Amino acid sequence: DTAVSQTPKYLVTQMGNDKSIKCEQNLGHDTMYWYKQDSKKFLKIMFSYNNKELIINETVPNRFSPKSPDKAHLNLHINSLELGDSAVYFCASSRRRAGGKDTQYFGPGTRLTVL
Amino acid sequence: GQQVMQIPQYQHVQEGEDFTTYCNSSTTLSNIQWYKQRPGGHPVFLIQLVKSGEVKKQKRLTFQFGEAKKNSSLHITATQTTDVGTYFCAGPSGSGNTGKLIFGQGTTLQVKP
Repeated sequence: DTAVSQTPKYLVTQMGNDKSIKCEQNLGHDTMYWYKQDSKKFLKIMFSYNNKELIINETVPNRFSPKSPDKAHLNLHINSLELGDSAVYFCASSRRRAGGKDTQYFGPGTRLTVL
Repeated sequence: GQQVMQIPQYQHVQEGEDFTTYCNSSTTLSNIQWYKQRPGGHPVFLIQLVKSGEVKKQKRLTFQFGEAKKNSSLHITATQTTDVGTYFCAGPSGSGNTGKLIFGQGTTLQVKP
């Protein structure tokens, strides 16, 4: 049973297109995250939702829009894709957000390539 | 802003040699977490340290949290090829009440058989 799942695993698209990545967790966690991992493996948080409420919104271009229809799902929509958006995007979840002490469980990642 | 730095960025060792990665925070941390990412995989939680000076062991892996709670280290004794991957430390941002973690840049370990 996959705890945190993402679709698609690979996404190859042209500049200027709009694409979405979906994430689901079956752990019953309250908090979900989106991370971007660049080619140097640096992991940077983009967004976080707690029970469908946006709580972290880092300095990310507004072409990126997260949506959480319920606490088990967090999707990421990207408009007008640019070459610099090429990266691996990880979804993660944690039981709560309080204290930053909860383990984060990562999904398998979506490798986005913008041509 | 708050930073978490790791050194070295890369380490190549012969199988059987020891390996250590160091993590330093610009601020005092309430806790520190370590994650491992295998090549082509996703970060997987290894351990969390909470107390000043804490030392925890997982088989050949030894984790330490500094007395000032600003640094940490991961030491692997007698590396094996299964240890290959990138090791990240991560600390909570600010008061930690958002759940946000600041990750170090990671140390990528290669093990030659």
